[in-house]
Amino acid sequence: RKEVEQDPGPFNVPEGATVAFNCTYSNSASQSFFWYRQDCRKEPKLLMSVYSSGNEDGRFTAQLNRASQYISLLIRDSKLSDSATYLCVVKRSGGSYIPTFGRGTSLIVHP
Amino acid sequence: GAVVSQHPSWVICKSGTSVKIECRSLDFQATTMFWYRQFPKQSLMLMATSNEGSKATYEQGVEKDKFLINHASLTLSTLTVTSAHPEDSSFYICSARTGVASTDTQYFGPGTRLTVL
Repeated sequence: RKEVEQDPGPFNVPEGATVAFNCTYSNSASQSFFWYRQDCRKEPKLLMSVYSSGNEDGRFTAQLNRASQYISLLIRDSKLSDSATYLCVVKRSGGSYIPTFGRGTSLIVHP
Repeated sequence: GAVVSQHPSWVICKSGTSVKIECRSLDFQATTMFWYRQFPKQSLMLMATSNEGSKATYEQGVEKDKFLINHASLTLSTLTVTSAHPEDSSFYICSARTGVASTDTQYFGPGTRLTVL
């Protein structure tokens, strides 16, 4: 089983739709969780950290479920500019907190 | 936010040559830098973790003699792909971390696209 798993998609949604992605992780000792966004042929950029209590940033809501070992990202009122690949990142415990990336979920928002 | 640069942004080379990629943290000191490789439609694969002043820690399956990493200062790490072959063609991305806590942010360089003919 991969350490971090994501549905690659693509998720094809109309503008204004609400879309949710899940990401599961296998290491129960994982410490930190993040969502990154990667545009085609560009480097990943941090979208938001994921806290145990859940957190929201504008149209984006991230949640963590430690018991079931998954994190989620909800995007409300999708915009065309939200089209990208969303990467789930999990940092395992240890001295260096090594980050592990999921394969990414591709989102396409169409008019 | 913090800025990480990479140079070159793209390189085309002949099979058998060596290619050096630089990664710099421009406005912060990075005790740890990471090197990733990404093939088309694949996830970022961590190649190695580089700590300033010490030897890099390579992930399983990554040949340390082929991918030489040097982290001579707190703002510069280099990756040298030695005797490159077409299968080494990929998108190489470095990232630098601002601290050592699990919540510290990683900032990514813009990546280097390597094509080996």
